[in-house]
Amino acid sequence: AQSVTQLDSHVSVSEGTPVLLRCNYSSSYSPSLFWYVQHPNKGLQLLLKYTSAATLVKGINGFEAEFKKSETSFHLTKPSAHMSDAAEYFCVVSDLDDYKLSFGAGTTVTVRA
Amino acid sequence: SAVISQKPSRDICQRGTSLTIQCQVDSQVTMMFWYRQQPGQSLTLIATANQGSEATYESGFVIDKFPISRPNLTFSTLTVSNMSPEDSSIYLCSVEDPGPSYEQYFGPGTRLTVT
Repeated sequence: AQSVTQLDSHVSVSEGTPVLLRCNYSSSYSPSLFWYVQHPNKGLQLLLKYTSAATLVKGINGFEAEFKKSETSFHLTKPSAHMSDAAEYFCVVSDLDDYKLSFGAGTTVTVRA
Repeated sequence: SAVISQKPSRDICQRGTSLTIQCQVDSQVTMMFWYRQQPGQSLTLIATANQGSEATYESGFVIDKFPISRPNLTFSTLTVSNMSPEDSSIYLCSVEDPGPSYEQYFGPGTRLTVT
């Protein structure tokens, strides 16, 4: 079974500073990996996805993530945080056989003015 | 992409009663999924619903408690039966992307509170 571990339950940054959300995955073969964002009282939105193409993946709203097989990591970054980035972020791995998604525990991002 | 709607968006129910949640997709999809998000927690897959066959439940979830219907390729329902306060959660449905990316599109969720 595949799984993901989000290493930080809560990240607090100042507006305009970089954001780093860490995610490690466990997989017996090459996985599909995703980052989803959930704003308060809103639905889940896909930020970006890795599906065995380029290892550096660019997503929406200035986010990007790098797939590192040797480190089994898929960390999410943004060079400059905005107040609107305050949300819950989920790292997710897909089981290629049956499309099931396994969610990490989530990282809450707060942005200080 | 797919646009998904859910009804109701929220409800407050008394313990011992049942609630049926509807999920409607704007295109035909093979696989639909139901997730539960307990307060302050991540998402947990309840079951996978394919049209024309019985839903497949994950460990810890049973059909008697969470019966699912999938009458066609654009619609599914999840019933939360004999509710208790522990069932207070957000329930989300999702569908798979028909392409090779394996991503899923999520509905807005149904926020259930059981008193």
